[in-house]
Amino acid sequence: DSGVTQTPKHLITATGQRVTLRCSPRSGDLSVYWYQQSLDQGLQFLIQYYNGEERAKGNILERFSAQQFPDLHSELNLSSLELGDSALYFCASSPYAGGNTEAFFGQGTRLTVV
Amino acid sequence: AQTVTQSQPEMSVQEAETVTLSCTYDTSESDYYLFWYKQPPSRQMILVIRQEAYKQQNATENRFSVNFQKAAKSFSLKISDSQLGDAAMYFCAYRSGGGSNYKLTFGKGTLLTVNP
Repeated sequence: DSGVTQTPKHLITATGQRVTLRCSPRSGDLSVYWYQQSLDQGLQFLIQYYNGEERAKGNILERFSAQQFPDLHSELNLSSLELGDSALYFCASSPYAGGNTEAFFGQGTRLTVV
Repeated sequence: AQTVTQSQPEMSVQEAETVTLSCTYDTSESDYYLFWYKQPPSRQMILVIRQEAYKQQNATENRFSVNFQKAAKSFSLKISDSQLGDAAMYFCAYRSGGGSNYKLTFGKGTLLTVNP
């Protein structure tokens, strides 16, 4: 158990809908990262938050947004869903924004868009 | 931009034997970290081993060791005395050591099968 909790574990929804994925980082970790894992794109970095502020942005679509709350949990919002958004979405956390620390991953949320 | 390449989509090994998974990367940075992550069928991403670029000594974690060739930009993973529980997808990953973006850049992965 990495200490990073993601909910829900599975999500099935229809095209055009909006969903919210939730992540609770390890106790004490200030940095949260979101990754998408799909068959065609592999594992891709989406976005990073550090202590409530956006720190880095990767290949995140405009239909997607994220935030980190004062209690340090994070949510990834996916809207106007398309079939191609079906993927495994991982959250990872680390103590700081970088440096000599490693990120610990949650078990992921499997999103299926039908 | 940094890239990570894993040229072996699949590998297999007999139980108790040794296998080496290959990884090459491209970067213009001098300060960075390299990682191997394991993803078993449970989907959990598990850190196997890490290497700091400034360290010449190859990292070792029990049965797992790396061969880090900085000039060649090569970072292979050796698994000794392979066990059935080692069967998983293995990802090589790169992370910058400086600046403000500490994202991980992953390779496409190598699926390792362990035969009894």
